[in-house]
Amino acid sequence: AAGVIQSPRHLIKEKRETATLKCYPIPRHDTVYWYQQGPGQDPQFLISFYEKMQSDKGSIPDRFSAQQFSDYHSELNMSSLELGDSALYFCASSLIGLAEPEQFFGPGTRLTVL
Amino acid sequence: SQQGEEDPQALSIQEGENATMNCSYKTSINNLQWYRQNSGRGLVHLILIRSNEREKHSGRLRVTLDTSKKSSSLLITASRAADTASYFCATFSGTYKYIFGTGTRLKVLA
Repeated sequence: AAGVIQSPRHLIKEKRETATLKCYPIPRHDTVYWYQQGPGQDPQFLISFYEKMQSDKGSIPDRFSAQQFSDYHSELNMSSLELGDSALYFCASSLIGLAEPEQFFGPGTRLTVL
Repeated sequence: SQQGEEDPQALSIQEGENATMNCSYKTSINNLQWYRQNSGRGLVHLILIRSNEREKHSGRLRVTLDTSKKSSSLLITASRAADTASYFCATFSGTYKYIFGTGTRLKVLA
């Protein structure tokens, strides 16, 4: 069965650079979520999209922005990168129309900021 | 602050023993999910329990949910070295996000 795809899997950037992370949800899933997991930390919710509209927002820095496109893939754009942005970034998708949506995660993108 | 808090934060057991991890949360939920994460890797969905369910089984996994106490437990029976991982609970409250607990690091010694 198709899973959530994230690219790239690994990314190395310098401070103050920009990074773009991509997420391709499971086909027919209507909701995409982004999470950030720092070293030894639990995943922290950043932002979610339902049917291409932003649906919820967590502790996402103003330097980050995200969107969901017409084909339902989503991109997380991160500007003015800081050392503290080094983390594992997960994308997840679900079919929110279900009464109890099950959330499926991608393998994550490991971002290292030098 | 996180909705879910897990205890213990670290657990070390011998192969063949059972491992029990607990998760507490603060608000009403629609469902609660347990995930496994191997070191630095992705999150693997283990089991979902709905708010109107009290217990659920999947293979060697048993999950209970007590909505009156706002807590859940994950029991892994007859643990194996391959079960060594971090285990997280995540709650869904009807908003468009899941809230994760701090995780329990399980180490199964061969």
